[in-house]
Amino acid sequence: EVQLVESGGDLVQPGGSLRLSCAASGFTFASYSMSWVRQAPGKGLEWVAYISSSGSITYYADSVKGRFIISRDKAKNSMDLQLDSLRDEDTAVYYCARGGSNYAYSFDYWGQGTRVTVSS
Amino acid sequence: QSVLTQPPSVSGAPGQRVTISCTGSSSNIGTGFAVHWYQQFLGMAPKLLIYGDSNRPSGVPDRFSGSKSGTSASLAITGLQAEDEADYYCQSYDSRLYAWVFGGGTRLTVL
Repeated sequence: EVQLVESGGDLVQPGGSLRLSCAASGFTFASYSMSWVRQAPGKGLEWVAYISSSGSITYYADSVKGRFIISRDKAKNSMDLQLDSLRDEDTAVYYCARGGSNYAYSFDYWGQGTRVTVSS
Repeated sequence: QSVLTQPPSVSGAPGQRVTISCTGSSSNIGTGFAVHWYQQFLGMAPKLLIYGDSNRPSGVPDRFSGSKSGTSASLAITGLQAEDEADYYCQSYDSRLYAWVFGGGTRLTVL
């Protein structure tokens, strides 16, 4: 059974940093691209960052470019998101999602999410 | 402002058919990138409902169907049930933005 479990969400002050993690199990992690998708309170879904199966290619939404860094560790079957220079508008539930096995541009499995609150 | 446009809400009575539209542009749906649909219950993670415009993952009832034409796509739900009440999101890829893009979401209310 595919499982994605996020952790690391917390309350942080504006300008602060946080590191989110996503632990994957139930599938060959090294064979799939992964992404982070976030959802602000009462709002819709927003793609944040992508990392290829090998980890060699990364993409970011303009809203986080230069502030967030996505990475993965194939030995630990995990993916991280380093969040720096956090802003109020980064407050959201952050989901890790697996790139689709049939269509790589889709997300076929999602974690339960981890909450990030940016507030003074 | 979302790149893909969805109606904020739709509603229908049990047993009826409803459709949710998703309108994009020439840099995403119109270019040929597939449209995918997700179902999200309140307080829960999204779940893939339709992938590749019209394909259902294993376990998704055939009451749910997807279609695409030009720069738009639609999700249809037939035989509406109370348990279908949720938020629905369309998603594609935009070649001008180099980004995965979502619609703003549509809340389905079963009357």
